[in-house]
Formats: sequence, C-alpha cells, structure tokens
Amino acid sequence: DQQVKQNSPSLSVQEGRISILNCDYTNSMFDYFLWYKKYPAEGPTFLISISSIKDKNEDGRFTVFLNKSAKHLSLHIVPSQPGDSAVYFCASYPGGTSYGKLTFGQGTILTVHP
Amino acid sequence: DTAVSQTPKYLVTQMGNDKSIKCEQNLGHDTMYWYKQDSKKFLKIMFSYNNKELIINETVPNRFSPKSPDKAHLNLHINSLELGDSAVYFCASSGDREWPQETQYFGPGTRLLVL
Repeated sequence: DQQVKQNSPSLSVQEGRISILNCDYTNSMFDYFLWYKKYPAEGPTFLISISSIKDKNEDGRFTVFLNKSAKHLSLHIVPSQPGDSAVYFCASYPGGTSYGKLTFGQGTILTVHP
Repeated sequence: DTAVSQTPKYLVTQMGNDKSIKCEQNLGHDTMYWYKQDSKKFLKIMFSYNNKELIINETVPNRFSPKSPDKAHLNLHINSLELGDSAVYFCASSGDREWPQETQYFGPGTRLLVL
C-alpha cells in the first residue's frame, strides 16, 4: 500500500530547461510535504517543503506546488543544471506529532544533460 | 564536522551472523530514526527514538533491535542475519523545536550485504 507515489522512475532534461518532478499521495491526513535529493552513495538531503495550507513554496531555482484536491505535488527546477542530476524523493508527513513519521515515494532519477 | 555519521559504510557478512550499525549526530537533535532502503529503492522507516525513548516501531522483525545510549547516538543491532536483510540502512535525526520541524537530516547510509 504505497501512500506516496512517484510514477516517473526517470526524467531527462537539457541544461537550462525546466525539470518537473511529480508526486501523488493517497492519504488525505498528510499535511506536510518535503522533497529530498540524493546523490549516489550519500544520504538524502532536504531540498524544499510545503505545508498543506499553502499551494506554492519557492526557494531559488526550486518551487514546489501543491494541489490538495488532486492530492498531487510537483517540484519545478528552473533553470536545470547538470549538478541537479540526482534521485529526487517526495515525502509526506501527517503532522499532529513531532516525531516525523515520513512516508517516502520511490524516487525519480533526474538527469540534466549539458 | 559531519552532521549525521554512520559506521560502517559497508558491511558484508554471512547469513546467521549478528551485526551492529552505529549512528551519531552532532546537531543537538532530540529525535533519531532508522530507515531501510530496499532493492526497489523504497525508503521505509523502521524505528524512531526521542530523547532515548522508542516512539516509532514499525512492523520490523524482532531480530532488529535499536538502542539509544544517549540523545546523540542510535545504534541498530541485527541478530541472525537473513538474505532479505541486504539493503541500505539510513540513520536520520530531527529537532523538535526546529522549523520546519519535520525536516530530517540523513547519514550517508550503511550498505549491508548478507551472503
């Protein structure tokens, strides 16, 4: 029962273009969402997050959009750079406690070509 | 100045053995976690400790036993290792009074291979 799904296992983008990574969730109790980035042989690193009371959060080249009615979020990277090539994980959290029971998607491999 | 560190980075062992993985964080966080990333790349939470108290215990076999000697350390001991235990194990930590408080910081992972 995968409550967070990233249906695209991989995405290939040209440098300078926009990368759009998608994530769907099924649990309406989820109220906080995060994106993590992971390079090979390293742990995931936090990228950007969004609370369910917002529909957009921006941090530099990274913007996360949340569509609660569709239970869908997306991460936009503009412009994409070769150093952005990594695995991107969407994760969500039901809130209500401080103990971080994050549920992760299976990840999308982003490749940015020079 | 590593924030979350794990040892060992690689672990190759035989079925039936007992092994431990250690995790330390120097971020002053109150909560620590163990995750397992299986062959299908799903990251799934196994355990969480807050101030040395077990607060999350997912459906993990009893062969896995976490131990937190203090807030900065969370170790994972695995008894009678099985082939299916082969995976990457990640430790993470988070601070309760940090915003966004659910941000977890991950270690580099321990790659366990059971032969």
